[in-house]
Amino acid sequence: QVNLLQSGAALVKPGASVKLSCKASGYTFTDYYIHWVKQSHGKSLEWIGYINPNSGYTNYNEKFKSKATLTVDKSTNTAYMELSRLTSEDSATYYCTRLNSSPLYYVMDAWGQGASVTVSS
Amino acid sequence: DIQMTQSPASLSASLGETVSIECLASEGISNDLAWYQQKSGKSPQLLIYAASRLQDGVPSRFSGSGSGTRYSLKISGMQPEDEADYFCQQSYKYPYTFGAGTKLELK
Repeated sequence: QVNLLQSGAALVKPGASVKLSCKASGYTFTDYYIHWVKQSHGKSLEWIGYINPNSGYTNYNEKFKSKATLTVDKSTNTAYMELSRLTSEDSATYYCTRLNSSPLYYVMDAWGQGASVTVSS
Repeated sequence: DIQMTQSPASLSASLGETVSIECLASEGISNDLAWYQQKSGKSPQLLIYAASRLQDGVPSRFSGSGSGTRYSLKISGMQPEDEADYFCQQSYKYPYTFGAGTKLELK
Protein backbone atom coordinates (compact mmCIF):
# COMPACT_ATOMS: atom_id res chain seq x y z
CA GLN A 1 0.00 0.00 0.00
CA VAL A 2 1.00 3.66 -0.37
CA ASN A 3 3.38 4.74 2.37
CA LEU A 4 5.27 7.95 3.02
CA LEU A 5 7.92 7.48 5.70
CA GLN A 6 9.35 10.67 7.13
CA SER A 7 12.54 11.29 9.04
CA GLY A 8 12.43 11.63 12.80
CA ALA A 9 12.13 14.58 15.12
CA ALA A 10 14.79 17.26 14.96
CA LEU A 11 16.07 19.70 17.58
CA VAL A 12 17.97 22.53 15.92
CA LYS A 13 19.51 25.79 17.01
CA PRO A 14 18.20 29.16 15.86
CA GLY A 15 19.81 30.27 12.62
CA ALA A 16 20.64 26.72 11.56
CA SER A 17 19.10 24.62 8.78
CA VAL A 18 17.42 21.24 8.80
CA LYS A 19 16.70 18.79 5.98
CA LEU A 20 13.64 16.55 6.30
CA SER A 21 13.13 13.43 4.23
CA CYS A 22 10.07 11.60 2.94
CA LYS A 23 10.56 8.13 1.46
CA ALA A 24 7.73 6.90 -0.76
CA SER A 25 6.75 3.30 -1.36
CA GLY A 26 3.83 1.33 -2.74
CA TYR A 27 3.39 3.39 -5.92
CA THR A 28 5.37 4.85 -8.81
CA PHE A 29 7.16 7.79 -7.21
CA THR A 30 7.41 9.90 -10.36
CA ASP A 31 3.68 9.70 -11.12
CA TYR A 32 2.53 11.90 -8.21
CA TYR A 33 3.58 15.32 -6.97
CA ILE A 34 4.81 15.55 -3.38
CA HIS A 35 3.41 18.40 -1.29
CA TRP A 36 4.57 19.64 2.10
CA VAL A 37 2.36 21.02 4.85
CA LYS A 38 3.21 22.75 8.13
CA GLN A 39 1.18 22.30 11.29
CA SER A 40 1.87 24.72 14.10
CA HIS A 41 0.61 24.51 17.68
CA GLY A 42 -1.07 21.20 16.94
CA LYS A 43 -3.86 22.86 14.99
CA SER A 44 -3.60 25.07 11.94
CA LEU A 45 -2.29 23.72 8.63
CA GLU A 46 -0.33 25.69 6.01
CA TRP A 47 0.60 24.56 2.52
CA ILE A 48 4.31 25.05 1.86
CA GLY A 49 4.70 23.93 -1.73
CA TYR A 50 5.11 20.98 -4.04
CA ILE A 51 7.66 19.27 -6.24
CA ASN A 52 7.15 17.22 -9.38
CA PRO A 53 9.42 14.20 -8.76
CA ASN A 54 9.71 13.53 -12.47
CA SER A 55 10.94 16.95 -13.60
CA GLY A 56 12.04 18.54 -10.33
CA TYR A 57 9.71 21.49 -10.96
CA THR A 58 8.69 23.25 -7.78
CA ASN A 59 5.93 25.65 -6.75
CA TYR A 60 6.05 27.43 -3.40
CA ASN A 61 3.67 29.34 -1.22
CA GLU A 62 5.05 32.91 -1.29
CA LYS A 63 5.21 32.80 2.50
CA PHE A 64 7.75 29.95 2.38
CA LYS A 65 9.76 30.85 -0.72
CA SER A 66 12.80 32.02 1.24
CA LYS A 67 12.36 29.38 3.94
CA ALA A 68 11.90 26.03 2.22
CA THR A 69 13.74 24.24 -0.58
CA LEU A 70 12.21 21.10 -2.08
CA THR A 71 14.24 18.42 -3.85
CA VAL A 72 13.93 14.76 -4.76
CA ASP A 73 16.19 11.77 -5.33
CA LYS A 74 14.47 9.55 -7.87
CA SER A 75 16.98 6.76 -7.31
CA THR A 76 15.73 6.28 -3.75
CA ASN A 77 12.11 7.50 -4.15
CA THR A 78 12.77 10.16 -1.56
CA ALA A 79 11.64 13.76 -1.33
CA TYR A 80 13.42 16.32 0.81
CA MET A 81 12.57 19.67 2.31
CA GLU A 82 15.32 21.90 3.68
CA LEU A 83 14.33 24.69 6.04
CA SER A 84 16.86 27.47 6.46
CA ARG A 85 17.60 30.26 8.94
CA LEU A 86 15.40 28.66 11.52
CA THR A 87 13.59 30.66 14.19
CA SER A 88 11.09 29.72 16.88
CA GLU A 89 8.31 30.37 14.35
CA ASP A 90 9.54 27.35 12.42
CA SER A 91 8.93 25.00 15.35
CA ALA A 92 6.13 22.79 14.05
CA THR A 93 5.27 19.40 12.63
CA TYR A 94 5.90 19.06 8.91
CA TYR A 95 4.05 16.58 6.72
CA CYS A 96 4.77 15.31 3.24
CA THR A 97 1.74 14.28 1.23
CA ARG A 98 1.01 12.77 -2.16
CA LEU A 99 -1.22 14.64 -4.56
CA ASN A 100 -3.64 12.41 -6.42
CA SER A 101 -5.03 14.21 -9.43
CA SER A 102 -7.42 13.69 -12.29
CA PRO A 103 -9.34 16.00 -14.60
CA LEU A 104 -12.01 16.14 -11.87
CA TYR A 105 -10.07 16.55 -8.65
CA TYR A 106 -6.82 17.23 -6.90
CA VAL A 107 -6.48 15.70 -3.47
CA MET A 108 -3.76 14.89 -0.96
CA ASP A 109 -4.68 11.26 -0.43
CA ALA A 110 -1.70 9.97 1.53
CA TRP A 111 0.27 11.64 4.30
CA GLY A 112 3.52 10.89 6.05
CA GLN A 113 3.53 10.44 9.78
CA GLY A 114 4.95 13.93 10.30
CA ALA A 115 8.32 15.23 11.43
CA SER A 116 8.55 17.46 14.47
CA VAL A 117 11.03 20.32 14.30
CA THR A 118 11.92 22.19 17.48
CA VAL A 119 14.05 25.30 17.24
CA SER A 120 15.79 26.04 20.51
CA SER A 121 19.19 27.05 21.76
CA ASP B 1 -5.15 33.70 -1.27
CA ILE B 2 -8.50 31.96 -0.78
CA GLN B 3 -9.62 32.15 2.85
CA MET B 4 -11.42 29.12 4.27
CA THR B 5 -13.65 30.00 7.23
CA GLN B 6 -14.56 26.85 9.14
CA SER B 7 -17.25 26.60 11.83
CA PRO B 8 -17.78 25.78 14.56
CA ALA B 9 -14.33 25.78 16.17
CA SER B 10 -15.46 23.05 18.51
CA LEU B 11 -18.52 20.97 19.25
CA SER B 12 -19.62 18.17 21.46
CA ALA B 13 -21.97 15.41 20.29
CA SER B 14 -23.69 12.48 21.92
CA LEU B 15 -23.38 8.93 20.67
CA GLY B 16 -25.53 8.52 17.56
CA GLU B 17 -26.09 12.23 17.10
CA THR B 18 -25.76 13.79 13.65
CA VAL B 19 -23.25 16.62 13.40
CA SER B 20 -22.37 19.12 10.70
CA ILE B 21 -19.27 21.19 10.09
CA GLU B 22 -19.18 24.01 7.57
CA CYS B 23 -16.57 25.74 5.47
CA LEU B 24 -17.03 29.01 3.67
CA ALA B 25 -14.56 29.95 0.95
CA SER B 26 -13.76 33.59 0.20
CA GLU B 27 -14.44 32.90 -3.47
CA GLY B 28 -15.96 30.11 -5.52
CA ILE B 29 -13.85 26.94 -5.51
CA SER B 30 -15.80 24.78 -7.94
CA ASN B 31 -16.14 21.78 -5.58
CA ASP B 32 -12.35 21.50 -5.19
CA LEU B 33 -12.81 20.84 -1.51
CA ALA B 34 -11.54 18.07 0.73
CA TRP B 35 -12.22 17.12 4.33
CA TYR B 36 -9.63 15.52 6.61
CA GLN B 37 -9.84 13.88 9.99
CA GLN B 38 -6.92 14.17 12.37
CA LYS B 39 -6.82 12.13 15.56
CA SER B 40 -4.60 13.15 18.43
CA GLY B 41 -0.93 12.69 17.61
CA LYS B 42 -1.64 11.37 14.12
CA SER B 43 -1.41 12.75 10.61
CA PRO B 44 -4.52 13.98 8.76
CA GLN B 45 -6.52 11.31 6.95
CA LEU B 46 -8.61 12.02 3.86
CA LEU B 47 -12.36 11.57 4.32
CA ILE B 48 -14.02 13.41 1.44
CA TYR B 49 -12.70 14.90 -1.81
CA ALA B 50 -14.26 16.83 -4.68
CA ALA B 51 -16.74 18.10 -2.07
CA SER B 52 -18.81 14.92 -1.92
CA ARG B 53 -16.74 11.87 -2.93
CA LEU B 54 -16.09 9.42 -0.13
CA GLN B 55 -12.51 8.18 0.09
CA ASP B 56 -12.13 4.40 -0.09
CA GLY B 57 -12.44 2.78 3.32
CA VAL B 58 -14.18 5.72 4.99
CA PRO B 59 -17.44 4.80 6.77
CA SER B 60 -20.60 5.82 4.94
CA ARG B 61 -21.81 7.86 7.92
CA PHE B 62 -19.46 10.56 6.61
CA SER B 63 -20.78 12.68 3.76
CA GLY B 64 -19.92 15.96 2.10
CA SER B 65 -22.01 18.48 0.21
CA GLY B 66 -21.98 22.01 -1.06
CA SER B 67 -21.14 24.13 -4.04
CA GLY B 68 -19.74 27.53 -4.92
CA THR B 69 -18.41 28.95 -1.68
CA ARG B 70 -20.30 26.88 0.94
CA TYR B 71 -19.46 23.30 1.88
CA SER B 72 -20.30 21.01 4.72
CA LEU B 73 -19.27 17.72 6.27
CA LYS B 74 -21.93 15.61 7.96
CA ILE B 75 -21.45 12.71 10.33
CA SER B 76 -24.68 10.74 10.56
CA GLY B 77 -24.49 9.02 13.92
CA MET B 78 -21.53 10.05 16.06
CA GLN B 79 -19.27 7.17 17.11
CA PRO B 80 -16.54 7.21 19.78
CA GLU B 81 -13.85 6.81 17.11
CA ASP B 82 -15.04 10.01 15.41
CA GLU B 83 -13.57 12.13 18.20
CA ALA B 84 -10.94 14.13 16.31
CA ASP B 85 -10.07 17.41 14.64
CA TYR B 86 -11.58 18.02 11.21
CA PHE B 87 -10.18 20.32 8.51
CA CYS B 88 -11.43 21.50 5.16
CA GLN B 89 -8.98 22.35 2.37
CA GLN B 90 -9.37 23.93 -1.06
CA SER B 91 -7.38 22.77 -4.06
CA TYR B 92 -8.95 25.17 -6.56
CA LYS B 93 -6.11 27.66 -6.57
CA TYR B 94 -2.56 27.88 -5.27
CA PRO B 95 -1.64 28.38 -2.54
CA TYR B 96 -3.80 25.59 -1.19
CA THR B 97 -5.44 26.73 2.04
CA PHE B 98 -7.06 25.03 5.00
CA GLY B 99 -9.81 25.88 7.43
CA ALA B 100 -8.76 26.50 11.03
CA GLY B 101 -10.22 23.19 12.14
CA THR B 102 -13.11 21.88 14.23
CA LYS B 103 -12.54 19.89 17.40
CA LEU B 104 -15.25 17.24 17.77
CA GLU B 105 -15.70 15.60 21.14
CA LEU B 106 -18.02 12.91 22.42
CA LYS B 107 -20.42 14.21 25.01
